[in-house]
Amino acid sequence: NAGVTQTPKFQVLKTGQSMTLQCAQDMNHNSMYWYRQDPGMGLRLIYYSASEGTTDKGEVPNGYNVSRLNKREFSLRLESAAPSQTSVYFCASSEATRARNQPQHFGDGTRLSIL
Amino acid sequence: AQKITQTQPGMFVQEKEAVTLDCTYDTSDPSYGLFWYKQPSSGEMIFLIYQGSYDQQNATEGRYSLNFQKARKSANLVISASQLGDSAMYFCAMREAFTNAGKSTFGDGTTLTVKP
Repeated sequence: NAGVTQTPKFQVLKTGQSMTLQCAQDMNHNSMYWYRQDPGMGLRLIYYSASEGTTDKGEVPNGYNVSRLNKREFSLRLESAAPSQTSVYFCASSEATRARNQPQHFGDGTRLSIL
Repeated sequence: AQKITQTQPGMFVQEKEAVTLDCTYDTSDPSYGLFWYKQPSSGEMIFLIYQGSYDQQNATEGRYSLNFQKARKSANLVISASQLGDSAMYFCAMREAFTNAGKSTFGDGTTLTVKP
């Protein structure tokens, strides 16, 4: 019963370095999401994907790119990391039909520090 | 645009007492869903309870209930018989029914501390 799996759990980068955060879900959900959570704050949507092959910008997309590799996997890439991107990153998935009562299922998060 | 407001940054409650966490929302969509999530200090996000805009009755899940007042656009979470393990951050979220890809908007959260 893995649900949503994120890797890595922790990462420290230097300014300007690049990295990719990986996310995979085994619930056969259509939609996947990437959020960031800054200290003491709620979740802000970075990018989302309604289905395999589609991606859309969320509230705070600048500095990030995403790839929906297949139905299971949705990766988030930081091309040139900046200290302002220090945050906890959550991946989530949901069954996005017109069934309104489907919550999002979250991974355990990636704690990313950029020096 | 959707907006979720949680006006209580922090709340304290005595163990075994009930507590209400406030959530107000703003939307022009007549069809939407409201969710509450719990985030313990370990960091994971846990789904607690759901209320649909057309649901006639307030949602309940064990010790959690949702006080849904549609005209006031409020969806307050009530936790009965608080336990020490309820200490966590709580987020209210809303999803408009036909929003592309089921996107949700989250509030900034309320930190609940249960005192022994």
